[in-house]
Amino acid sequence: AQSVTQLDSQVPVFEEAPVELRCNYSSSVSVYLFWYVQYPNQGLQLLLKYLSGSTLVKGINGFEAEFNKSQTSFHLRKPSVHISDTAEYFCACSSSASKIIFGSGTRLSIRP
Amino acid sequence: DGGITQSPKYLFRKEGQNVTLSCEQNLNHDAMYWYRQDPGQGLRLIYYSQIVNDFQKGDIAEGYSVSREKKESFPLTVTSAQKNPTAFYLCASSRENIQYFGAGTRLSVL
Repeated sequence: AQSVTQLDSQVPVFEEAPVELRCNYSSSVSVYLFWYVQYPNQGLQLLLKYLSGSTLVKGINGFEAEFNKSQTSFHLRKPSVHISDTAEYFCACSSSASKIIFGSGTRLSIRP
Repeated sequence: DGGITQSPKYLFRKEGQNVTLSCEQNLNHDAMYWYRQDPGQGLRLIYYSQIVNDFQKGDIAEGYSVSREKKESFPLTVTSAQKNPTAFYLCASSRENIQYFGAGTRLSVL
C-alpha cells in the first residue's frame, strides 16, 4: 500500500526567507509525485509534478521539488517566500491513473 | 474556459435530508473523483469513476452515492445515512496521471 507523510503540519516563516516543506512517501512500485496548493475555501491547484526524467522539478510561483528515490522524499522548496504564498500545501503520490494518495497537508504561514 | 464547476458553493442540510452536490467538467476527461476534506486530515476519497456508467467506492463511501450518466457530470448525493456530513467536498477529474480540482462545496448541517 502507498502512503504519504508530510512531516510538518504548520510551517511559519518570515517574508523573503527560504522555505522547505517536507514530504516522504512509501510505495513498493514506481510512483508519480505531486505538490498541490490550496488557498482558503478553494480547490487544489497543481504546483508541480514528477512523472519521470530529471529529479529536480520546477513548478509555478517559483517553487521547486527534488525527487530522492533512496530517501523516498519529495521535498518542496522556495528560495524566497512572499505573503501571497500563505496557503496549505499537499504532497501526493500515485502509481496508476486511477487513484492518488494525499498527505495530510502543511499550512505555510508567512510573517511580514 | 475549460475547467471543473462545482455547485453550490455552500449547502445546508437538515436532519434526515438527502442533498446532491453538482460537479461538471468540460475538459473531456474520462476519470472523475469525489473527495471529502476535514481539517488536519487531508483529502479522503469517497467515490471515483473511470468511465461513463461505471464507478467504484473509495475509502469512505458509506452514506454517499454517485451516478455517471454523462462524461461531463458526476453528481454526489449525501444521504441521511451519513451522520457527520459537515465537510468541504472537492470534485476532480484526471488525465495522464494529473488531477484537476473544482473550487469545492462546503456542506453544513442545520
